[in-house]
Amino acid sequence: AQSVAQPEDQVNVAEGNPLTVKCTYSVSGNPYLFWYVQYPNRGLQFLLKYITGDNLVKGSYGFEAEFNKSQTSFHLKKPSALVSDSALYFCAVRDMRATDSWGKLQFGAGTQVVVTP
Amino acid sequence: NAGVTQTPKFRVLKTGQSMTLLCAQDMNHEYMYWYRQDPGMGLRLIHYSVGEGTTAKGEVPDGYNVSRLKKQNFLLGLESAAPSQTSVYFCASSYGESTEAFFGQGTRLTVV
Repeated sequence: AQSVAQPEDQVNVAEGNPLTVKCTYSVSGNPYLFWYVQYPNRGLQFLLKYITGDNLVKGSYGFEAEFNKSQTSFHLKKPSALVSDSALYFCAVRDMRATDSWGKLQFGAGTQVVVTP
Repeated sequence: NAGVTQTPKFRVLKTGQSMTLLCAQDMNHEYMYWYRQDPGMGLRLIHYSVGEGTTAKGEVPDGYNVSRLKKQNFLLGLESAAPSQTSVYFCASSYGESTEAFFGQGTRLTVV
């Protein structure tokens, strides 16, 4: 069975400082990994994904994420946070080899990011 | 290009009433999903579909039914609503396994 965990309910960071949002996953095969952002009263917006290849992927709004197979992690990062980055961030996973749950897209519980001026 | 459209956007139901939430996508996507979002619980998968005529259970399927009679539509039904089903419901669709999902704007459902 696949699962994804976001160990921090909230991350607080000062504007201009680096931002990291943690995500770990568990799958039987290789994972497809995604990050999404949700602003208040809105649907989720796609930020970036890891499918295969380079472990460092770059996405929208200056975000990037690093895939680490040995640690089963896919942490989201931004070198210099903005106040406008304050939002709810979700990590999601699909298991490439799931035979009993083909296509299932599972999300973590979300991490609230608060960037202070 | 409308993307993913959910109908209705808001609804108040009385306990025991039934209703159907409609999700429509115009991107020719194969996969469609229904999630519920509750404070502190993240997004929990209710049911999903990997193609027209197919459905599968997610993490929290009890009390819900779904149908995918047409590729572009994914319906979520509540046969007998309960207060525990008060939530914000999101529909999403994606083209395939390695592609990102696109989300609707959500349906805020209150069961009293």
